[in-house]
Amino acid sequence: EIVMTQSPATLSVSPGERATLSCRASQNIGANLAWYQQQPGQSPRLLMYGASTRATGIPARFSGSGSGTEFTLTISSLQSEDLAVYYCQQYNDWPRWTFGQGTKVEIK
Amino acid sequence: EVRLVQSGPEVKKPGESLKISCKASGYTFTNYWIGWVRQKPGKGLEWMGIIYPADSDTTYSPSFQGQVTMSTDKSITTAFLQWNSLKASDTAIYYCARHDGGLLEYWGQGTLVTVSS
Repeated sequence: EIVMTQSPATLSVSPGERATLSCRASQNIGANLAWYQQQPGQSPRLLMYGASTRATGIPARFSGSGSGTEFTLTISSLQSEDLAVYYCQQYNDWPRWTFGQGTKVEIK
Repeated sequence: EVRLVQSGPEVKKPGESLKISCKASGYTFTNYWIGWVRQKPGKGLEWMGIIYPADSDTTYSPSFQGQVTMSTDKSITTAFLQWNSLKASDTAIYYCARHDGGLLEYWGQGTLVTVSS
């Protein structure tokens, strides 16, 4: 099983500041990496796929990068509505997909 | 519009059986895999497995193999997740989601299952 490790567990960022979230895979997954946002009390929502492609309707302040085993999700200018837990997910190992444990983004 | 509407919250006792549902609409049900994801209280997402409605081809995560059963009914475009004997540790929110090439693009609203004596 491919293990996904996210850091940090919690990130506290002031509005308008940049937030950088990391995700590491235990083996090479190419660019088969997705990010999901789960706002409080809501179902998860697909944010990014292919490591760097925004899903439909996702604002441009969200960007993704990386390949292989190291990935990053960046929120360029944090808004209050970005308060959420963010999960990475690998979909390279069909069909045994796995999630990271999540990074909680707090508004400072 | 793609929609996945899940059945309502359940409260059960240990040892009881349960079947929850996920009604799909707005797309051709048999063209996409449906997956299930568990979220224990205050915890992260766990992928449970997937099922292909066209032929009921199913793959379970090793952690859930033998613990749950996934099924579908094409006639009513609905996917199901069932337990034969619930445990307290099954208490969680269960999400269904439509898979597209490994991506979980559309999600249901979740079903809260509480197992308590």
